[in-house]
Amino acid sequence: NAGVTQTPKFQVLKTGQSMTLQCAQDMNHNSMYWYRQDPGMGLRLIYYSASEGTTDKGEVPNGYNVSRLNKREFSLRLESAAPSQTSVYFCASSAKGGRRMKSEKLFFGSGTQLSVL
Amino acid sequence: AQSVAQPEDQVNVAEGNPLTVKCTYSVSGNPYLFWYVQYPNRGLQFLLKYITGDNLVKGSYGFEAEFNKSQTSFHLKKPSALVSDSALYFCAVRDGASGGGADGLTFGKGTHLIIQP
Repeated sequence: NAGVTQTPKFQVLKTGQSMTLQCAQDMNHNSMYWYRQDPGMGLRLIYYSASEGTTDKGEVPNGYNVSRLNKREFSLRLESAAPSQTSVYFCASSAKGGRRMKSEKLFFGSGTQLSVL
Repeated sequence: AQSVAQPEDQVNVAEGNPLTVKCTYSVSGNPYLFWYVQYPNRGLQFLLKYITGDNLVKGSYGFEAEFNKSQTSFHLKKPSALVSDSALYFCAVRDGASGGGADGLTFGKGTHLIIQP
């Protein structure tokens, strides 16, 4: 039972390069999320998708784009990486969408450690 | 605006002693409260949640949390600490009066729990 799978686990980019972080879940969850984790700042939401076909901005969306490819997959793209985007990125999913997301627990992937030089 | 505070960056406890990790929150409506744990090089894992009902919530791995409305607190507790409990713990809050959605979930900065043999 894989749960939430993220690739790659590690990545080093040069400023201005682009890349896509991949995320897939096998729990038939409706909602998926991308967070970044920075020391002393907890987790901050970048984008989320309440259901297949919808995406919404979170707290820190600038410099990122997302695609909800299907119910299983939710990718995060950095079009032109900047050093400020050096972080650990987590994908997460939850069973329900919409208003029912409020009480739902999140299932997290193991993270992608990204360094932008 | 909602917020959550974890006042201690680090908590040190001897194995076998009781532990408490503190969390206070601020929301305008009724709070939905969560605790997550992050082991090294892993994603966050759900421990427990409070939505409504009993003020003492029991969760995974022998952890429990006490909801105190008058003190706006949701402290995580365990009667007898294990070395394997050493990890990073996050408190999170969502305002029950909000429209729902992941952008309504706010994480604290995290508390490192260190259990000494």
